[in-house]
Amino acid sequence: GIQVEQSPPDLILQEGANSTLRCNFSDSVNNLQWFHQNPWGQLINLFYIPSGTKQNGRLSATTVATERYSLLYISSSQTTDSGVYFCAVDGNRDDKIIFGKGTRLHILP
Amino acid sequence: EPEVTQTPSHQVTQMGQEVILRCVPISNHLYFYWYRQILGQKVEFLVSFYNNEISEKSEIFDDQFSVERPDGSNFTLKIRSTKLEDSAMYFCASSQFLAASYEQYFGPGTRLTVT
Repeated sequence: GIQVEQSPPDLILQEGANSTLRCNFSDSVNNLQWFHQNPWGQLINLFYIPSGTKQNGRLSATTVATERYSLLYISSSQTTDSGVYFCAVDGNRDDKIIFGKGTRLHILP
Repeated sequence: EPEVTQTPSHQVTQMGQEVILRCVPISNHLYFYWYRQILGQKVEFLVSFYNNEISEKSEIFDDQFSVERPDGSNFTLKIRSTKLEDSAMYFCASSQFLAASYEQYFGPGTRLTVT
């Protein structure tokens, strides 16, 4: 099945810094989604981005489908950005989306 | 913006008890899903549901699990006899169209703790 690799696994930044999170996938996809899991475990939908670029406030994402990767940019990080960021893609024309292991982001005040 | 809601946010139960986790999908969505995340691990697919039938299920979704759409708005996951290893975050999702190529909207999750 399709493999989803996220990097880095952990990232520690000072408040105000910018960050780039990467998601590589092993096969062509029709769906790619980014999620934020906050420290309470809640999952928050960020982007549906099978290709192209989207922006939402301080967050933006770019997927280059032909090269099988996606990037999530966080600018001017705030402590509330802390948590785990997951990338998920569709797998083999079935119903489920497949999650990567996530990048754990710590923003220090 | 419409969103998926889940109740309760946290459920504590004793081993062997039955639990029902509830979800209200986005109103015009027809396809519903449950996913699970054991602490510190990846989010994993459990089951998809459409037209009052299971569309697809994973190996995790054994006979102790069942899903139901009891009315026009709720979607439930029942665990008949909970085990310690059922402790996890459970996420409900919904989409307008079936197949994972379409966006799935996730709820915030229910944390289930089995003691």
